[in-house]
Amino acid sequence: QSVLTQPPSVSGAPGQRVTISCTGSSSNIGAGYDVHWYQQFPGTAPKLLIFGNINRPSGVPDRFSASKSGTSASLAITGLLAEDEADYYCQSYDRRLSGLYVFGTGTKVTVL
Amino acid sequence: QVTLRESGPALVKPTQTLTLTCTVSGFSLSTSGMCVTWIRQPPGKALEWLALIDWDDGKYYNISLKTRLTISKDASKNQVVLTLTNMDPVDTATYYCARRRITVPDYGMDAWGQGTTVTVSS
Repeated sequence: QSVLTQPPSVSGAPGQRVTISCTGSSSNIGAGYDVHWYQQFPGTAPKLLIFGNINRPSGVPDRFSASKSGTSASLAITGLLAEDEADYYCQSYDRRLSGLYVFGTGTKVTVL
Repeated sequence: QVTLRESGPALVKPTQTLTLTCTVSGFSLSTSGMCVTWIRQPPGKALEWLALIDWDDGKYYNISLKTRLTISKDASKNQVVLTLTNMDPVDTATYYCARRRITVPDYGMDAWGQGTTVTVSS
């Protein structure tokens, strides 16, 4: 169902940097639509982490950063902390009939 | 403070119709740019967008579920209602409502309810 592809999992030791890719196509990310990122802890609702490709809402640590290029986007976590262990989802928009709003497949970040 | 809260049955039988309500506070459903969207997440799986209703009563649906979904709102009650007909076990999921503001910049889905878990079983 998801049209945005993410790696199922990434891991890193505390203090390290990890990145999560979000690969789309010319009908979504490549069409110029914004990408947003959400963080989800087990049993809880997703929380907005990054909006408008690169912006952090108030309260989100600057350890989280994001970028977008072509048909892909990426989320980086620097100075990884144990509390960053969660699922992360990208989200964009798709101009095809299959759906207006599309989410990524999700990535589990594990802190070793 | 912006809050959203989902409510509805925890268990529905196959073929039945699911009706979920999202009650919002801290913003008005009639304010220009304000939208409420529904998203679901089957156990252990990814998020799936379902539907959105905007301040002007515009309605948008996931095309793969469009024939089964209806979204509506009662701004006076601060409520958005989602119905999903002909429920099937594959519709078992946690259902979330979230706020979406049509603004520049685009804030995405910036506030979420806690979710309500729906199980489809006879």
